[in-house]
Amino acid sequence: KNQVEQSPQSLIILEGKNCTLQCNYTVSPFSNLRWYKQDTGRGPVSLTIMTFSENTKSNGRYTATLDADTKQSSLHITASQLSDSASYICVVSARGFKTIFGAGTRLFVKA
Amino acid sequence: DVKVTQSSRYLVKRTGEKVFLECVQDMDHENMFWYRQDPGLGLRLIYFSYDVKMKEKGDIPEGYSVSREKKERFSLILESASTNQTSMYLCASRVKLGTEAFFGQGTRLTVV
Repeated sequence: KNQVEQSPQSLIILEGKNCTLQCNYTVSPFSNLRWYKQDTGRGPVSLTIMTFSENTKSNGRYTATLDADTKQSSLHITASQLSDSASYICVVSARGFKTIFGAGTRLFVKA
Repeated sequence: DVKVTQSSRYLVKRTGEKVFLECVQDMDHENMFWYRQDPGLGLRLIYFSYDVKMKEKGDIPEGYSVSREKKERFSLILESASTNQTSMYLCASRVKLGTEAFFGQGTRLTVV
């Protein structure tokens, strides 16, 4: 069964600290993996995309990693800011049309 | 910038009403989608459309229908709204298979 599991469900960190969010998937055949950021009351916005051959991708303070062998991805946020408070959604696409969304990790950054 | 616009941010409807959620994109994208998002669950696909006048059922189509008469517009219809359809509804579009999907701001629908 195609699944995307994210952990933790929620996370609270202090401003300026780093954090890492996890995504495990069983989607097959794998095509690509995206991380989205969703601010409260808004639609998701893409942060990074990685295909099978890529194992790291950065977008400013966001760095995503992919281990296609273990079917795991992580999103590392460096020097967090209050504006990083949001839900982060891992999305895995299979070859063909199927796209599976994780339930998301809710990140709270406190001053 | 791609813009995907949903007609309402918040909507309150009564049980049994017919509800229309409208979505418009301005980048000539072929594919359009409707999802619902509930706490603790990932986005779940209701319907999608490859192109004008084409539609395909997603994972949870029951109680919904869609219309795509023009390429830029994809409408979600709740034939007879029920309280279990209270949710956040998100529309998305993309150029074609494998490309990035762009989302609208969402419509929070409450059925009372």
